[in-house]
Amino acid sequence: NAGVTQTPKFQVLKTGQSMTLQCAQDMNHEYMSWYRQDPGMGLRLIHYSVGAGITDQGEVPNGYNVSRSTTEDFPLRLLSAAPSQTSVYFCASSYRLGGSGAYEQYFGPGTRLTVT
Amino acid sequence: GENVEQHPSTLSVQEGDSAVIKCTYSDSASNYFPWYKQELGKRPQLIIDIRSNVGEKKDQRIAVTLNKTAKHFSLHITETQPEDSAVYFCAEKGNTGFQKLVFGTGTRLLVSP
Repeated sequence: NAGVTQTPKFQVLKTGQSMTLQCAQDMNHEYMSWYRQDPGMGLRLIHYSVGAGITDQGEVPNGYNVSRSTTEDFPLRLLSAAPSQTSVYFCASSYRLGGSGAYEQYFGPGTRLTVT
Repeated sequence: GENVEQHPSTLSVQEGDSAVIKCTYSDSASNYFPWYKQELGKRPQLIIDIRSNVGEKKDQRIAVTLNKTAKHFSLHITETQPEDSAVYFCAEKGNTGFQKLVFGTGTRLLVSP
């Protein structure tokens, strides 16, 4: 299994440009999430999905869109890039461990995005 | 809303010493508390977790304790080694339908030989 994969690894955008960060998982996990990581701020949830066709907003959703047409894929779209979106983006997938409420998030390798 | 405070932000220890990182959460309904380790330039990886019906869990040199009354949980690393140097994140999950994790701001641990 490849686990969680993300492309690209690095990207530089100009202000106002749009792009899509790709995320795929081959573990048949029902849950997928996007986080951004900024220095001193930990990991903040952007959007998440509990299954194909179902998405919802996280803590910092503004400026981003997502869709989940298949179990495997969960792309993140930046509509009009801004310097404030310079960050490292992590995609994650997870599954629930029985009825315990516990689960493990498997993170992708990350995409380092710079907006100039 | 849900909030997790993590302290300290940086921690320097000598090899062989113990390290303790503490997190405080606000949601009394939280029921799951994982810890992630992130090495430089790498992805976060789960190292240990604890559920709300357990007070302590241990895995070799690492342990996590949970105090539900005080709403705090801690990561303990004993006999630290240079390869333990990394950023550690605590997280908590509220008792909602979706497994939405709220992360702390991270602790940079440096273990000197």
